[in-house]
Amino acid sequence: SAVISQKPSRDICQRGTSLTIQCQVDSQVTMMFWYRQQPGQSLTLIATANQGSEATYESGFVIDKFPISRPNLTFSTLTVSNMSPEDSSIYLCSVRPGSQETQYFGPGTRLLVL
Amino acid sequence: GENVEQHPSTLSVQEGDSAVIKCTYSDSASNYFPWYKQELGKRPQLIIDIRSNVGEKKDQRIAVTLNKTAKHFSLHITETQPEDSAVYFCAALLMNRDDKIIFGKGTRLHILP
Repeated sequence: SAVISQKPSRDICQRGTSLTIQCQVDSQVTMMFWYRQQPGQSLTLIATANQGSEATYESGFVIDKFPISRPNLTFSTLTVSNMSPEDSSIYLCSVRPGSQETQYFGPGTRLLVL
Repeated sequence: GENVEQHPSTLSVQEGDSAVIKCTYSDSASNYFPWYKQELGKRPQLIIDIRSNVGEKKDQRIAVTLNKTAKHFSLHITETQPEDSAVYFCAALLMNRDDKIIFGKGTRLHILP
């Protein structure tokens, strides 16, 4: 498995501002993902964070709104830009270590936009 | 792309009874099917998974069955306990193609005393 940490664990932000969420893993991992989970809902993939290249975004998510960095195999950031109340959600980092299919989740960042 | 349907959305069972959650998937080439349990305020935790070359897998009170022909898989929890109360998500993965796990909408399981 992998030990995953996220910072911050929660935040309250004003609309129009931006928040950067950090994800740190205790070992090098091949694949890292960012998910959003709205209250009472399932997990929606935002993007795959690619090491050394631009992230791959899912339909409905764009780089200008959710810029992602992945400078190495243990760290990634997700920025939620120009926030609105609709961005209030839990944002989860997820990793798939090695060549196996098994995927693990970080503790999540609970974001409230006022 | 892959689509995963999950039923029921809510399930209440008496403590000690069994619970069954069912999922169907659309892409017959999917080859990995994990189940996650998410307790309130916590991260999703992998509880069991099955690969497409296996029909059934068991881990203590939890079992998963896979029917590739019908493209459905199920989670079975026997002798349910209060700590089984949570939201359960099924998922499907198409390795080496999309490489993305697609989640069902979740089942909220209530264990009644």
